Formats: sequence, structure tokens, C-alpha cells
Amino acid sequence: LAKTTQPISMDSYEGQEVNITCSHNNIATNDYITWYQQFPSQGPRFIIQGYKTKVTNEVASLFIPADRKSSTLSLPRVSLSDTAVYYCLFYSGTYKYIFGTGTRLKVLA
Amino acid sequence: DAGVTQSPTHLIKTRGQQVTLRCSPKSGHDTVSWYQQALGQGPQFIFQYYEEEERQRGNFPDRFSGHQFPNYSSELNVNALLLGDSALYLCASSSGTSKNEQFFGPGTRLTVL
Repeated sequence: LAKTTQPISMDSYEGQEVNITCSHNNIATNDYITWYQQFPSQGPRFIIQGYKTKVTNEVASLFIPADRKSSTLSLPRVSLSDTAVYYCLFYSGTYKYIFGTGTRLKVLA
Repeated sequence: DAGVTQSPTHLIKTRGQQVTLRCSPKSGHDTVSWYQQALGQGPQFIFQYYEEEERQRGNFPDRFSGHQFPNYSSELNVNALLLGDSALYLCASSSGTSKNEQFFGPGTRLTVL
């Protein structure tokens, strides 16, 4: 059974770049990796999705090494409003979704 | 566009009872997935519906069942409730293949006493 692992928590200051890594063992060759942001008592919100190498959108970048056993979410210049829990999610070719353990990011002023 | 909507927002039940949660997907989406999120943990995949059929399910007992209607809305039913079923139940919708971005609703907070 595929599993994911993330750091439990991270602290950062406003304006800094934050990198959150997710390790996923036994990820299948056709699995995508997706990252979500979740605020208390709300549903997860899509941040970015990728399959390999690097993907960038207007809010984040996603780095996936060639072996695809990990992925790193990069948030440039975080603000207080980025304080949330961040989850990686990988999709299995058998239509199953597995969320990571979640990283609680706290942005300090 | 209202996005993904879920009802009710909160629900309190007692052990042994049955509960039905409802979800309306985002406009244009035809696939609905359900997740259970216990306090302080990540969401756990329950099952996914597409074309009114359960396409795949996670590691949940048969007490958890679902349905998808022709308009793509969905219900999650849980029978013989246990204290451990207390959680936030999330519905997510997507379009086409399962690799597409999932949009999550606000969830239904179920408390079992």
C-alpha cells in the first residue's frame, strides 16, 4: 500500500520562501502528485499538480525528481494568510487517492 | 458558479443510527468522491462515483455506501454509526478522468454521541 510522509509542522516569516517536501513510496508510474491547502473547518483547496520535473503556476512551484519518490511544494514570499495545513495527494492508477500526513505551516510577522 | 455544495453543515447523531449526507458537484463536473477527515488528520478516501456507479473505494466497511444521481449529485450513507465515525466528511468533484483537479466542498461535520 502506497503511503506518504510530510513534516508535521514548519514556521516561517513573512516574505520568505517555504519549501515543503512529501515523500511517497511505491508511487505508480502513472500517478500524478497534487498539493492542497486547507484552512480550519474548510475543504482542501487545490494549489498545484504535476507528474515530473517542475511545474509552476501563479501561486506555487512543484518540483518532482526523476525517481518520483518525493515532491517539493515551493511557496514564494509567504504572507500571514498562507498559514494553513498543506497536503500532498497522489492519485493511483486504480482510482484511489492517498493524502499525505499534512504539514502545518505557521507564518510569523 | 456555486462550486461544490454539501448539506447539512453540521449533524449530531447517536450510536447505531443511520445518516445521509448530500453533495452537489461543481457545474460541469460528473465525478464525485467522498473523504472522511478525522480531527487533526488528513482526508481518507472513501469512494468515488462516476456515471452513477461506484468506480473505486478505499478501505472502509460496507456500512459506508453511496449513490450518484443522473444530475451527478451524490449521497453518502453511513449505517450503524460508531463513535469513531465522528469526522468531517468532504465531497470533491472533478471532470472526466480521475487525474483531473478535484474541487472540494466545505464538508459536513458529523458528531456521533
